[in-house]
Amino acid sequence: EAQVTQNPRYLITVTGKKLTVTCSQNMNHEYMSWYRQDPGLGLRQIYYSMNVEVTDKGDVPEGYKVSRKEKRNFPLILESPSPNQTSLYFCASSYDRGQPQHFGDGTRLSIL
Amino acid sequence: GENVEQHPSTLSVQEGDSAVIKCTYSDSASNYFPWYKQELGKRPQLIIDIRSNVGEKKDQRIAVTLNKTAKHFSLHITETQPEDSAVYFCAASGHAGGTSYGKLTFGQGTILTVHP
Repeated sequence: EAQVTQNPRYLITVTGKKLTVTCSQNMNHEYMSWYRQDPGLGLRQIYYSMNVEVTDKGDVPEGYKVSRKEKRNFPLILESPSPNQTSLYFCASSYDRGQPQHFGDGTRLSIL
Repeated sequence: GENVEQHPSTLSVQEGDSAVIKCTYSDSASNYFPWYKQELGKRPQLIIDIRSNVGEKKDQRIAVTLNKTAKHFSLHITETQPEDSAVYFCAASGHAGGTSYGKLTFGQGTILTVHP
């Protein structure tokens, strides 16, 4: 089954404790992306990757890091999480940019 | 960079009526415009998309129109049903050479409620 898998689905943590949200897709997609969703703000792109070892900033990259060492994986790293990063996060992938994106089920992060 | 504005933020209709959601974008280089539907507690899912070389696209009860000159595009849902109730997002993505190439910028979302 074609899917985008995110882990964990839920996480409550404290300020400053490094965390990683993993994202994996099994569709051999070139393009992967991370979004955060906040009430009234829609989905905002954090980082995207158009291929292995190619990553670019989206509209809200501050406080986040990503890596794309393999085609299927695109982890999101919060080196020193802060309460303003409490949000619902979605990973998505597509065959290429400008193509329909498949979203994961989301990760709800709460940073106290 | 790209800026996408979406209106209205909430829309309430009676079952069987039509619903229209409108979006405007700022980057004239944008060339791909998808619409996503997100049901409560679920992931966003693509319902229809349009590219800049096309003015209108239909898929059963759903249609999207694009006006490149005015830089706006709209989602039209006819014969609405209660299961159409969800949050709808428009988005815009640019092409090579544009400032929004590779990015996908979303509108703020529209909460559609269809009353039986």
